[in-house]
Order: sequence, then structure tokens, then C-alpha cells
Amino acid sequence: GESVGLHLPTLSVQEGDNSIINCAYSNSASDYFIWYKQESGKGPQFIIDIRSNMDKRQGQRVTVLLNKTVKHLSLQIAATQPGDSAVYFCAETVLGDYKLSFGAGTTVTVRA
Amino acid sequence: DGGITQSPKYLFRKEGQNVTLSCEQNLNHDAMYWYRQDPGQGLRLIYYSQIVNDFQKGDIAEGYSVSREKKESFPLTVTSAQKNPTAFYLCASLRPGQGARGYTFGSGTRLTVV
Repeated sequence: GESVGLHLPTLSVQEGDNSIINCAYSNSASDYFIWYKQESGKGPQFIIDIRSNMDKRQGQRVTVLLNKTVKHLSLQIAATQPGDSAVYFCAETVLGDYKLSFGAGTTVTVRA
Repeated sequence: DGGITQSPKYLFRKEGQNVTLSCEQNLNHDAMYWYRQDPGQGLRLIYYSQIVNDFQKGDIAEGYSVSREKKESFPLTVTSAQKNPTAFYLCASLRPGQGARGYTFGSGTRLTVV
């Protein structure tokens, strides 16, 4: 069977390497997912979103993958930079709804 | 520039005291939200308001109160009934018509009970 990435509370990455952050969501009815970046002492900022009718979406240096079969979401950051050091959250909801359910977050630390 | 302003950035409270956290937005958004963030946990919804003079409890409303007398303002009061108030509090507003994609968050208030 397909392996599912574990959610890790922390991730240490060498500058220039790719980062993969995993998230398991809980509600089978959720059809819209967002990744947020939160820097220390600040509010979350939108990174990228994906609807359930897609399994992959790419942005600038970021890619989100969605596996609805196992309710798993991942965020890939290419060529990780020091400015990528932050806490990353996934959030799920039903499209058109206002209420978000957040995952626990992964703290990414980039090593020089 | 439009945005959400939370104040103060840091707040210290003695046990048994009520404190009020401010949240102001000039984005002309109807809906506003209060979330609580604890270390190692996701954001949890405390209260939300979709229109002036109306608000609803979120998932963890006990020990908190809010008011929404003006569109721009959604203050949160942490009462003495909240047994574990030390946390990071985030206010957000929602742009209409975009669902959850339209969230804008403030920079947060860190509350510490001393």
C-alpha cells in the first residue's frame, strides 16, 4: 500500500534542500485545504490552497499534494531558504464555509 | 494600508482579573473571529461574529466574552472564569465571497497570567 508521511512537530532542513511538511486531516467532508505560514510573533499568512477535485497544485517554490484516499496533505518547499523558517499549518474546511479546522503545525528550521 | 490591528502585543494578567484584547480592522469585512493558539496545537475558535451586534460561540468559548458594536471592532474579554488563559490570541477577519481563502489574521496578542 501507499505510505503516508507522518506529521512531525519539527523539521530541520539544510539551506537549499527541499522540505516536505505533512498533514493528516480529519473530516472526510472537507473539500478545501489551505497551508499557512506563521513567523514568530505574527499571525498566519496564506501560502497556497487546493480543492478536493485536484491532487496537486503548484505555486512559487511551493507545491501542495492532496491524497483524499488516506486524508493526507503535504507541502513541498523547493530550495529552502532561511526566510522559510516558520511554523506551517494546514487547515481544512468545506468550500464556501467560513470555519477552518487547523492542524497542529510543524516548526521548520533552516540550517545555514 | 488596510489590515487588522491587535493590541497590546503582550499582556500580563494577575489571576482573578478580567482583561480585554483589542482587535480593529479597516478592511470593511463583516465577519471577524477570535482564535486561541497554544504551543504544539492548532488554532482553536473562541468566538466569531458575522455581522454587527451578532456573535456566536466557537469551540472553546467558556471563560471568554465578546462584543460587536461596530463593524471595525471585535474586542475579546478573558474573564476570571477562564482557568488557563495563558496563550497566543489571534484575531481574523474574512473577506466576503471567498470562503476560507479570504481570511486575514492580525499579529496576535500574547497573554500571560502572572
